[in-house]
Amino acid sequence: DTAVSQTPKYLVTQMGNDKSIKCEQNLGHDTMYWYKQDSKKFLKIMFSYNNKELIINETVPNRFSPKSPDKAHLNLHINSLELGDSAVYFCASSHPGLAVASYNEQFFGPGTRLTVL
Amino acid sequence: GQNIDQPTEMTATEGAIVQINCTYQTSGFNGLFWYQQHAGEAPTFLSYNVLDGLEEKGRFSSFLSRSKGYSYLLLKELQMKDSASYLCAVSPNDYKLSFGAGTTVTVRA
Repeated sequence: DTAVSQTPKYLVTQMGNDKSIKCEQNLGHDTMYWYKQDSKKFLKIMFSYNNKELIINETVPNRFSPKSPDKAHLNLHINSLELGDSAVYFCASSHPGLAVASYNEQFFGPGTRLTVL
Repeated sequence: GQNIDQPTEMTATEGAIVQINCTYQTSGFNGLFWYQQHAGEAPTFLSYNVLDGLEEKGRFSSFLSRSKGYSYLLLKELQMKDSASYLCAVSPNDYKLSFGAGTTVTVRA
């Protein structure tokens, strides 16, 4: 009954490799996000998708390519991994304008800790 | 863009009250959120303010002054489990949350 799930939870890889992180939400939300939290715990938005369409791309290097096959999934593929990519990546979802809720609360997944060696 | 400032760390004693301040400058305003994040875990929603004033939710309250670009989170009757990072976040539109760097609160016995 997990609301927002991510796989894998931990990812250790070598510089230069390509890796993917998957995210799924079962809340019926239409907007999904990827955040990066660095070693200083600063949580920064990377991408936002609404109904499978890219809404926000916060000047993220094009080595990062999000893909949303449907509203419930938002995956993140990273090419040519660099040391600076080491961080915790959080997926989140929300439903802006939902009639029941008056605000756009975001629900976060458990995070994927990526370590690039 | 958005600029959000909050103190880096605060320490308080069990049973005490702590107030975490947040100031912000934003290009649009669709509300201000407070999230709690325990070490190694995901952020979880605590409160939301979009109108000026105080919102109370049990031991936690949040205040907003839009004209001053200011909010605070008040934690009362502190418990050891309240030791966590508290993140102030501003929503400039429906599709974005901009977070501050977070305030690490340590509760001592």
